[in-house]
Amino acid sequence: AQSVSQHNHHVILSEAASLELGCNYSYGGTVNLFWYVQYPGQHLQLLLKYFSGDPLVKGIKGFEAEFIKSKFSFNLRKPSVQWSDTAEYFCAVYNNNDMRFGAGTRLTVKP
Amino acid sequence: DSGVTQTPKHLITATGQRVTLRCSPRSGDLSVYWYQQSLDQGLQFLIHYYNGEERAKGNILERFSAQQFPDLHSELNLSSLELGDSALYFCASSVAEQGAVGELFFGEGSRLTVL
Repeated sequence: AQSVSQHNHHVILSEAASLELGCNYSYGGTVNLFWYVQYPGQHLQLLLKYFSGDPLVKGIKGFEAEFIKSKFSFNLRKPSVQWSDTAEYFCAVYNNNDMRFGAGTRLTVKP
Repeated sequence: DSGVTQTPKHLITATGQRVTLRCSPRSGDLSVYWYQQSLDQGLQFLIHYYNGEERAKGNILERFSAQQFPDLHSELNLSSLELGDSALYFCASSVAEQGAVGELFFGEGSRLTVL
């Protein structure tokens, strides 16, 4: 089964700083890729997804992610974070009925 | 509101006991996934059912079992509970066709505390 690695456990940024969260996966075949967000006290919600086509995917709330097949990566970016982006972010990979999540990255944005 | 309903929201029980967590997927969704979220291990995939059949198994202990019923709701049974089983258990559903998956819709989770 595939595995998903998120490099950063906890990221602390000031408002307006740029964000990049790393995600790498192990499976070499065709995969579907996702980023989910979990705001404090809430359930996971989809930020964006990649199935095929343009490797630069735009999601909600100004987030985007780039799929780099050669690097098995799907990094999440946002040019300018806001305090309301404080949450936990999960990268996920789907292949053959198996949906795996990374360990998550906690983002704290200081006002 | 994602449309996925999980009960109970909170559950406190003792070691050695057995509990059942219930999940009702969104209307029309045939796939149900179960995940365990704990502080030290993140979000761990347990098991996936599609239209009543087990499709994939992750890091699910032998003490745990699940099933999906004809009305598509699913139950996760946890037995011989240990302190380490304390966690948030999430259910998610999707409209999943063979070989593809759309967005997963998550329930609010069942928080299990084993004392």
